[in-house]
Amino acid sequence: AQSVSQHNHHVILSEAASLELGCNYSYGGTVNLFWYVQYPGQHLQLLLKYFSGDPLVKGIKGFEAEFIKSKFSFNLRKPSVQWSDTAEYFCAVNTNAGKSTFGDGTTLTVKP
Amino acid sequence: GAGVSQSPSNKVTEKGKDVELRCDPISGHTALYWYRQSLGQGLEFLIYFQGNSAPDKSGLPSDRFSAERTGGSVSTLTIQRTQQEDSAVYLCASSLTSEGGYTFGSGTRLTVV
Repeated sequence: AQSVSQHNHHVILSEAASLELGCNYSYGGTVNLFWYVQYPGQHLQLLLKYFSGDPLVKGIKGFEAEFIKSKFSFNLRKPSVQWSDTAEYFCAVNTNAGKSTFGDGTTLTVKP
Repeated sequence: GAGVSQSPSNKVTEKGKDVELRCDPISGHTALYWYRQSLGQGLEFLIYFQGNSAPDKSGLPSDRFSAERTGGSVSTLTIQRTQQEDSAVYLCASSLTSEGGYTFGSGTRLTVV
């Protein structure tokens, strides 16, 4: 069975700092990869996704993620965070089994 | 509808009682999923419906849990004889295909006292 590991449980940054959240998965076959975000008091929403093609994918609000197949990684990045990026971020992997496996999430706190 | 709708948003129940949680997915989405999220934990897969295929029930934690999806649309998750460890936020999601990219509902927060 596949698993997803998010190494950082809680990240605290100041505004304008750069962000990188790690995500590694264990599955040897074809995968679809996702990042979801949950802002305080809101429901989970899709931030970006990778199915195929260019391994660098761009999502909403200036986020991007890079799929590195050899490292089984799909790290999330943003060059300059804002206070409004404070949220919980979940990495997820979907194989041909049809359901996604989620990581435990990373809480990002951005200090103004 | 415009999004995935779940009801109730909050449910407090006594240990041993049965509860039903409802999910109304986005119209036309063939795939429907139930997950639960306990405090400080990730999302735990429960069950997955895809079109008219038999559901994938591999994530249901015990036989007290069951779910159905009627007419390929609304789904109900039933928990019988609730226990305190069932307390969690139960999330429903739907997607156009089984490849992923979910739209989530707001969840039902279940508290068993």
